[in-house]
Amino acid sequence: GNSVTQMEGPVTLSEEAFLTINCTYTATGYPSLFWYVQYPGEGLQLLLKATKADDKGSNKGFEATYRKETTSFHLEKGSVQVSDSAVYFCAYLTGRRALTFGSGTRLQVQP
Amino acid sequence: DAGVTQSPTHLIKTRGQQVTLRCSPKSGHDTVSWYQQALGQGPQFIFQYYEEEERQRGNFPDRFSGHQFPNYSSELNVNALLLGDSALYLCASSLLGVNSPLHFGNGTRLTVT
Repeated sequence: GNSVTQMEGPVTLSEEAFLTINCTYTATGYPSLFWYVQYPGEGLQLLLKATKADDKGSNKGFEATYRKETTSFHLEKGSVQVSDSAVYFCAYLTGRRALTFGSGTRLQVQP
Repeated sequence: DAGVTQSPTHLIKTRGQQVTLRCSPKSGHDTVSWYQQALGQGPQFIFQYYEEEERQRGNFPDRFSGHQFPNYSSELNVNALLLGDSALYLCASSLLGVNSPLHFGNGTRLTVT
């Protein structure tokens, strides 16, 4: 069935380290792909998106490239900050207009 | 410009009771979706409302029902509460277009004892 698989957390990094959070999906067709971020006590915020193969979404120094051949949408950032500490969710959207989320990856950045 | 607002922020109910959660969409949005987020999990789609009708539904029992009002606000009702219904309930609003991003509220934390 349709699903999103994310690397398990928590991911603990030092400030200015390089971040990669892996995400792969199983879906029919050509879904739009998203990364959402959830800060403590808050709802989800859209971080970035990509709507077709080879698109690169980017925002606030984060990037992810839609790889159709590997059904992946890995999140990267070159230099993380303490303020990036949050839970990150990979998700896809099909024509049914309902998001399917992964289980989330908690990122902890230490000063 | 107010974003998506949900009420209440926290709620404690007893097993078997009924609960109503409320959501006001972001200004200009006409579509409301509800998601359930269990602790440590990603959100799961419950249903979506547009033009006061349920348009899509996820894999949730009939105990979960909803309503959308003419002003686009929405309610989520859960009957015969179970302990497993304890979760963060998120409302998201959007325009009914494929490329319209979803804007989420901060959620209602429901605890069933």
